[in-house]
Amino acid sequence: AQSVTQPDIHITVSEGASLELRCNYSYGATPYLFWYVQSPGQGLQLLLKYFSGDTLVQGIKGFEAEFKRSQSSFNLRKPSVHWSDAAEYFCAVHNFNKFYFGSGTKLNVKP
Amino acid sequence: DAGITQSPRYKITETGRQVTLMCHQTWSHSYMFWYRQDLGHGLRLIYYSAAADITDKGEVPDGYVVSRSKTENFPLTLESATRSQTSVYFCASSEDRAYSGANVLTFGAGSRLTVL
Repeated sequence: AQSVTQPDIHITVSEGASLELRCNYSYGATPYLFWYVQSPGQGLQLLLKYFSGDTLVQGIKGFEAEFKRSQSSFNLRKPSVHWSDAAEYFCAVHNFNKFYFGSGTKLNVKP
Repeated sequence: DAGITQSPRYKITETGRQVTLMCHQTWSHSYMFWYRQDLGHGLRLIYYSAAADITDKGEVPDGYVVSRSKTENFPLTLESATRSQTSVYFCASSEDRAYSGANVLTFGAGSRLTVL
């Protein structure tokens, strides 16, 4: 069965610092991977996606993610965090037209 | 307006009552989904639909009923609401790109349901 693990429930970083959110998946074949962001009281917005090809993908708002098959990981990164990045971030795997989500990582940004 | 619309956005009901959450999308996407979001669980799939009149169970279908008589609508019904169904419910849709796998989920704004 497919599963998505986000090991960090909460992360706090200072504004301007770099960020890495971890995501590990369990899936046999080449997965389709996504990161979504949810601001308080809002729905989920797609940040970026990986289908194939270059393992480093760029998304909106300055985010990027790297697919590492050997580690079954798809970590999200941002070189310099802004206060507006405070939100909850979800990693997801797509398989047979169903999407499986991690439990989310809540990001706090200190001034 | 184009997009995916959920109603009501907020609902308070009592145990044992029937509640229907509505979802409407304007893209003619083939696939529609219902998720619930609970603290510590992320998003869990309740039901999904591949097309009109085709629905299937997700991870947590018990206590819920869906229908899809038209492509654009995918209502979720709690036939007899329980306190454990207090949650935020998200509807989502995606195109049918089964062979390429290049589906992207687009979400509604959510419906917050409280069962007293």
